[in-house]
Amino acid sequence: GNSVTQMEGPVTLSEEAFLTINCTYTATGYPSLFWYVQYPGEGLQLLLKATKADDKGSNKGFEATYRKETTSFHLEKGSVQVSDSAVYFCALTSETSGSRLTFGEGTQLTVNP
Amino acid sequence: NAGVTQTPKFQVLKTGQSMTLQCAQDMNHEYMSWYRQDPGMGLRLIHYSVGAGITDQGEVPNGYNVSRSTTEDFPLRLLSAAPSQTSVYFCASMENYGYTFGSGTRLTVV
Repeated sequence: GNSVTQMEGPVTLSEEAFLTINCTYTATGYPSLFWYVQYPGEGLQLLLKATKADDKGSNKGFEATYRKETTSFHLEKGSVQVSDSAVYFCALTSETSGSRLTFGEGTQLTVNP
Repeated sequence: NAGVTQTPKFQVLKTGQSMTLQCAQDMNHEYMSWYRQDPGMGLRLIHYSVGAGITDQGEVPNGYNVSRSTTEDFPLRLLSAAPSQTSVYFCASMENYGYTFGSGTRLTVV
């Protein structure tokens, strides 16, 4: 079956620091990969996605590249802001799972001024 | 605003009580689903529906029932609440792998 593993959190950074949140996956078929963000007290919002190998998803300064050879989809941002403090979820779906999303455990990011 | 609406936002239940979490979407999406979010476990799929009249079990369906009589609504029923069902519940609808999530229902069972 499908599974997603995220780096253990929580992560605490100072403003303008570089961010990496690791995500690796196991999937049958050719999965599509996603990063979702959850701000305090809110639901999940799609941050970025990639649907095939070597695709790079990007949004709001965040990037992630679909690496089939390492089954990874690491999230990066060059300079984080206090407003980036949130929980980040890596997720995937594949044709063998229909439309079902499989989520990682989530990583809490706190950015201090 | 178009989207997914969940009610209530907060609920406290006593063990053994029943209740229904409401979910409605106005985007005419065929696919809808319910997830529960627990610390350190991400989101786990409870039930899903690929269209009106069609539902199926997800990863953690025990203790929950669903029905889909219309495209817009997908209520989640707790038949006899247990403390293990204390969680945050999210409803989502999807089209072309684009998911829209509701803002969640925080449920506490005492």
